[in-house]
Amino acid sequence: KNEVEQSPQNLTAQEGEFITINCSYSVGISALHWLQQHPGGGIVSLFMLSSGKKKHGRLIATINIQEKHSSLHITASHPRDSAVYICAVSGWDSNYQLIWGAGTKLIIKP
Amino acid sequence: GAVVSQHPSRVICKSGTSVKIECRSLDFQATTMFWYRQFPKQSLMLMATSNEGSKATYEQGVEKDKFLINHASLTLSTLTVTSAHPEDSSFYICSASPGRVNYGYTFGSGTRLTVV
Repeated sequence: KNEVEQSPQNLTAQEGEFITINCSYSVGISALHWLQQHPGGGIVSLFMLSSGKKKHGRLIATINIQEKHSSLHITASHPRDSAVYICAVSGWDSNYQLIWGAGTKLIIKP
Repeated sequence: GAVVSQHPSRVICKSGTSVKIECRSLDFQATTMFWYRQFPKQSLMLMATSNEGSKATYEQGVEKDKFLINHASLTLSTLTVTSAHPEDSSFYICSASPGRVNYGYTFGSGTRLTVV
């Protein structure tokens, strides 16, 4: 079993729909990260969470430390949101390496 | 916000030659740099972790003599792919961290290497 599990693996939705991507982890973490990888390959850090909820524009990320679960929500989805969304956790080792989920490929159709 | 500049973005080289990829943190001190490789339709795979002034720590299966990492300053790390072969063709991306917990990671824009 992977230490970071994401679901769904693939998601196709219509423009305007509310999107939820889930992430569960099984290790102790110092923080959970949501990242976005565009088709060209570039990676953008969206959120870093250690508790509660964060919001940035149409993106909302929540984390439940007790349940070891996080969700990324996109409101009023748009075709430009199409990307791979990756959940990753950082531990407490000396280098704070990221443990990566497999990613969720999101396609928003106009 | 924090920015990591990665160059080149694309490179095509002949088999047997060496290619250097550079990652530079523009507005923060990158105590720790992570180098990843990504093959098509696969997840990022960590190749090595480097701390400024120290030798890099390579992941299992990554040849340290082939993928030379230099992290001589707090703002610059380089990955040199030596004696490149077509199977080294991949997307390489760096990620920099100030090395303190919960200070986040900033990614370079990636380098697409094609070895012909």
